[in-house]
Amino acid sequence: EVQLLESGGGLVQPGGSLRLSCAASGFTFSSSGMTWVRQAPGKGLEWVSAITGSGGNTFYADSVKGRFTISRDNSKNTLYLQMNSLTAEDTAVYYCAKTAPYYFNYWGQGTLVTVSS
Amino acid sequence: EIVMTQSPATLSVSPGERATLSCRASQSVNSDLAWYQQKPGQAPRLLIYAASTRATGIPGRFSGSGSGTEFTLTISSLQSEDFALYYCQQYSNWPRTFGQGTKVEIK
Repeated sequence: EVQLLESGGGLVQPGGSLRLSCAASGFTFSSSGMTWVRQAPGKGLEWVSAITGSGGNTFYADSVKGRFTISRDNSKNTLYLQMNSLTAEDTAVYYCAKTAPYYFNYWGQGTLVTVSS
Repeated sequence: EIVMTQSPATLSVSPGERATLSCRASQSVNSDLAWYQQKPGQAPRLLIYAASTRATGIPGRFSGSGSGTEFTLTISSLQSEDFALYYCQQYSNWPRTFGQGTKVEIK
C-alpha cells in the first residue's frame, strides 16, 4: 500500500524558513517522480514543485522559484521542500504526491504551514 | 503558463441525476489532462488521467472526455459520496496548472 506522510509544518514568522518532509512507503521511491502541491485556506490547488526519481531534474512554480528547493534522499525514501523567505501568501496545506509519471496518483494528508507574526 | 478554467463554479444536482463538469485550457494540452476529487478535510484523489482513463478503483459512473482545449467530467448518476470539489489539471507543460474547481452540491 502506498503511503505518504508529510511533516514539518507549523507556525513561522514572515521571512523565516521551514523544511517539509514526506516519508514514502509501499512503492519503489527512487523510480518515482514526486511533487508538492499546496492549498491556501479556502482556496484551490496550486502546484509548487516537482522532482524526478533520480533527483536530477527539478521544476518550480514561478511563485516559489528562488525561495523553495525540492530535494530527495532515496536512501531514506524521503522527499523534502526547503522553504525560505516565507510570506503570508505561502500559508497553506502542503501535500506531497507521487507522480505516475505526470499526473498525481497518490497524495499524502498534508501538513499546514502558517506564516504569521 | 497554461490557464485552466472550470465551469460552473458550483453545480447543484439531485442524487441520481447526471452531473457534467467542464474544463477549458488556454492552449492545447492534447490529452494530458487529469481530474481529481476533493472532500472537505481530505487530500485530493485522482479520478481520471489521460482525459478519459479511470484511475484504479474509480467507479464506472465517472467518465472523462475531450482533447485539445475542451474537456468534460461526467458523473452519470450522483451518489451521496460524490458531492465534493472537482479539479482538472494539465500535465502537458510546465508549470503544471489546476483549474479553480467546481463544487458539486446537493440540490
